[in-house]
Amino acid sequence: QKEVEQNSGPLSVPEGAIASLNCTYSDRVSQSFFWYRQYSGKSPELIMSIYSNGDKEDGRFTAQLNKASQYVSLLIRDSQPSDSATYLCAVYGQNFVFGPGTRLSVLP
Amino acid sequence: DTEVTQTPKHLVMGMTNKKSLKCEQHMGHRAMYWYKQKAKKPPELMFVYSYEKLSINESVPSRFSPECPNSSLLNLHLHALQPEDSALYLCASSQQDTSYEQYFGPGTRLTVT
Repeated sequence: QKEVEQNSGPLSVPEGAIASLNCTYSDRVSQSFFWYRQYSGKSPELIMSIYSNGDKEDGRFTAQLNKASQYVSLLIRDSQPSDSATYLCAVYGQNFVFGPGTRLSVLP
Repeated sequence: DTEVTQTPKHLVMGMTNKKSLKCEQHMGHRAMYWYKQKAKKPPELMFVYSYEKLSINESVPSRFSPECPNSSLLNLHLHALQPEDSALYLCASSQQDTSYEQYFGPGTRLTVT
C-alpha cells in the first residue's frame, strides 16, 4: 500500500462547479497535511495546510481532515479555468511524503 | 515575503562535468530541502538540512553532494551525473522541520548529456 494516495485523474469539471480532490494516507501518526498546486513546468505552490480534524476555509478553497478515516480532501468552489493544474497532497508523519497528484481540468 | 530563489534556471551538463545548484531564502527559515522531480511525478525528497545540519539523506547517490554554508543558503554539488539524473531540481524551505509548511523555489531544469 502506498503511503499517500490520491484520486486518479484527470478530473474534469465545468467552470463554476465544485472540484473535489481526495487524499488518503496510511501512517496513523500523521500530524500535518498540505495541499499544493503545480502548474505545468512550474514549482509547487502551497495552497493550504491543515493540522486538526474538521474544515479549514481560505477563499474558494476548503480543506477537510478526518484523522480517524485517514482522509484529507480539498474542495475548490466556483472553479475557474485558471485552477487547471496538478494538485499534490503532502503528509507529514514519520516522514514527509507527497501523493502522486491529481490533474484537474476546469472547462470553460 | 515567501520567496525562495534558485540559480541557474536551466543547466545543461556533460557526464564528466562538475556544476552546482544554488538556493537562497530570506524568510528566517531554519530548514531547507532539495527535491528531484521527474515529468508527471511528484517531487522526491533528496536532502533536508535543519539548523544547518544535514538531518535527512534519502539514500541519494554520492554524485549529489549537498552543502549548507549558512541558514539562508543551500547548494547542491553535481559530479559525474547520468542522463537519468535529468530532472527539475527544487529547493524548499520551512520554518523548522518537515511538520511545517514548505515553500518552494522555481526550480532548476537540469539536462545531462
